[in-house]
Amino acid sequence: AQSVTQLGSHVSVSEGALVLLRCNYSSSVPPYLFWYVQYPNQGLQLLLKYTTGATLVKGINGFEAEFKKSETSFHLTKPSAHMSDAAEYFCAVSDQGGNQFYFGTGTSLTVIP
Amino acid sequence: DTGVSQDPRHKITKRGQNVTFRCDPISEHNRLYWYRQTLGQGPEFLTYFQNEAQLEKSRLLSDRFSAERPKGSFSTLEIQRTEQGDSAMYLCASLPGLAGSTDTQYFGPGTRLTVL
Repeated sequence: AQSVTQLGSHVSVSEGALVLLRCNYSSSVPPYLFWYVQYPNQGLQLLLKYTTGATLVKGINGFEAEFKKSETSFHLTKPSAHMSDAAEYFCAVSDQGGNQFYFGTGTSLTVIP
Repeated sequence: DTGVSQDPRHKITKRGQNVTFRCDPISEHNRLYWYRQTLGQGPEFLTYFQNEAQLEKSRLLSDRFSAERPKGSFSTLEIQRTEQGDSAMYLCASLPGLAGSTDTQYFGPGTRLTVL
């Protein structure tokens, strides 16, 4: 079975500061890992995903995440926050069959001008 | 590619009424997923289809819930005898490939259900 824990339901950063959103997963099989962003009253949009290969994954809007198997983590980072980054962020895991996807409870990012 | 669409976007109903939601996936996408998202939570898996076959159902999907994808294209999610606890955002997502592929889920905008 797979599960995801997102540490910190709310994160605030100043514009231009580093963004770090934490995600730890539990999986009995090698996982596929995802980060999604959700703006108010909208569906989820994929930021990036890890399936196999390089453990540092680059996504859209300057975000990246690193898969660390030893730490069972997949933290999301962005070097410099922009006002438009304010949104809800979800980490998700699936098995390699891609049959079911399990989402964390989300982290709400606020960017302070 | 017009994206995943869902209809209606908002639905307000009285407790005990039946409601039906529709999801139109991206054309020729094989897999279609339904999720429920409540306030402050991530999406919770409800069920998924590969073409017209319903392959998995969550324990969250009680007998009052039923989903169909009759021709392997659009899907409907029906909730019978709605309860206040059914109030949530219902999200649909589609993927192009079959199970086992590393495809990306494309989400629709969701249907927000309010049960009074």
